[in-house]
Amino acid sequence: GENVEQHPSTLSVQEGDSAVIKCTYSDSASNYFPWYKQELGKRPQLIIDIRSNVGEKKDQRIAVTLNKTAKHFSLHITETQPEDSAVYFCAARDGTASKLTFGTGTRLQVTL
Amino acid sequence: DAGITQSPRHKVTETGTPVTLRCHQTENHRYMYWYRQDPGHGLRLIHYSYGVKDTDKGEVSDGYSVSRSKTEDFLLTLESATSSQTSVYFCAIKLATSGTRSYNEQFFGPGTRLTVL
Repeated sequence: GENVEQHPSTLSVQEGDSAVIKCTYSDSASNYFPWYKQELGKRPQLIIDIRSNVGEKKDQRIAVTLNKTAKHFSLHITETQPEDSAVYFCAARDGTASKLTFGTGTRLQVTL
Repeated sequence: DAGITQSPRHKVTETGTPVTLRCHQTENHRYMYWYRQDPGHGLRLIHYSYGVKDTDKGEVSDGYSVSRSKTEDFLLTLESATSSQTSVYFCAIKLATSGTRSYNEQFFGPGTRLTVL
């Protein structure tokens, strides 16, 4: 089955700096890669996603890049703000079923 | 909130007792999922359903069973709860609508915090 690895597990940045979280996946048939943000005590919420036929996608301060050859994808957050502090999860959907495999999460802390 | 609720939201039980968690949706989505979330492990799929009475196992299905007798309800049962099943359980649905939302998006319920003593 699919295996998703996520790094780093914790990340601390100063407000205004950029943050990058990286994930790798194992199944070359995976074709959809969402990113979820989870605030303390809340449910995970989708913030951005990308399909396998696209190399990059942006939405305001966040962007995701996908390298299918290397089987890795990354989340980029620019001009970080304190409200960006949360746990971020990457995921990959396998090519045969509607299942997501999640990474283990990155705790992002944005300090003033 | 995509019309998804979970009950109970919190439960404390004892080892060896049966426990059933309920996920309810109001928008007729075909796919429903149960995950557990534990520190250091992220979200792990327990079971999922792709229609009434159609279910399949996820990566951590041992000790859990599910049932879906109608579209709106997906039940997760711990036949004999163990302390290792202490966790936060999330139900999710796969959104089928297009437009501004990705049709692949999984939308999560509010979660159930289960403690097995």
